[in-house]
Amino acid sequence: SYELTQPPSVSVSPGQTARITCSGDALPKQYAYWYQQKPGQAPVLVIYKDSERPSGIPERFSGSSSGTTVTLTISGVQAEDEADYYCQSADSSGTLFGGGTKLTVL
Amino acid sequence: QVQLVQSGAEVKKPGASVKVSCKASGYTFTSYGISWVRQAPGQGLEWMGWISAYNGNTNYAQKLQGRVTMTTDTSTSTAYMELRSLRSDDTAVYYCARLCSGEYYYYMDVWGKGTTVTVSS
Repeated sequence: SYELTQPPSVSVSPGQTARITCSGDALPKQYAYWYQQKPGQAPVLVIYKDSERPSGIPERFSGSSSGTTVTLTISGVQAEDEADYYCQSADSSGTLFGGGTKLTVL
Repeated sequence: QVQLVQSGAEVKKPGASVKVSCKASGYTFTSYGISWVRQAPGQGLEWMGWISAYNGNTNYAQKLQGRVTMTTDTSTSTAYMELRSLRSDDTAVYYCARLCSGEYYYYMDVWGKGTTVTVSS
């Protein structure tokens, strides 16, 4: 079955750049989306259609796509960015999420 | 502003059913779909399915086929998700989300705060 694969964890110091990857065979043909989820809260959309940023999302969040991998980049990471991040894309029967990546700000 | 308000927490026994509501406001309800996503304790997000608020068309995740029903009431701008034959592994937070979809895109731009469903004997 189709899967989206994310690293379980990424750690970065404040002010540095965090990159979170998501791999899947269908990603060259399907858009990817990214959600941020803080403990006890609902997910928040941070990137849609690979690289578009919803209104209200800081410019330090960006997305890119290359082949079977999409990447969420957070430039100048702040303590408030510590959260779980999930990628999402379509599959033949609906949609699915990656397993999630816990971003730790050291 | 766009808002989705979900019903309160539920505790159910194995084998029972639960129905969660999601009341939308701040936008034209029938212009978007509603997607349902659940999250078991300490686990990731699991897509359950979606419903078109325009015509009631549905698409359910294969693993939930036969146990889940999603409906809408356009007169009150409310979506519902009913899950039957509950098991302990259905214990989760259930989210509704506004669905933005087209031929080549499918994403959820506004989420409810979630409804905790606990299945326990």
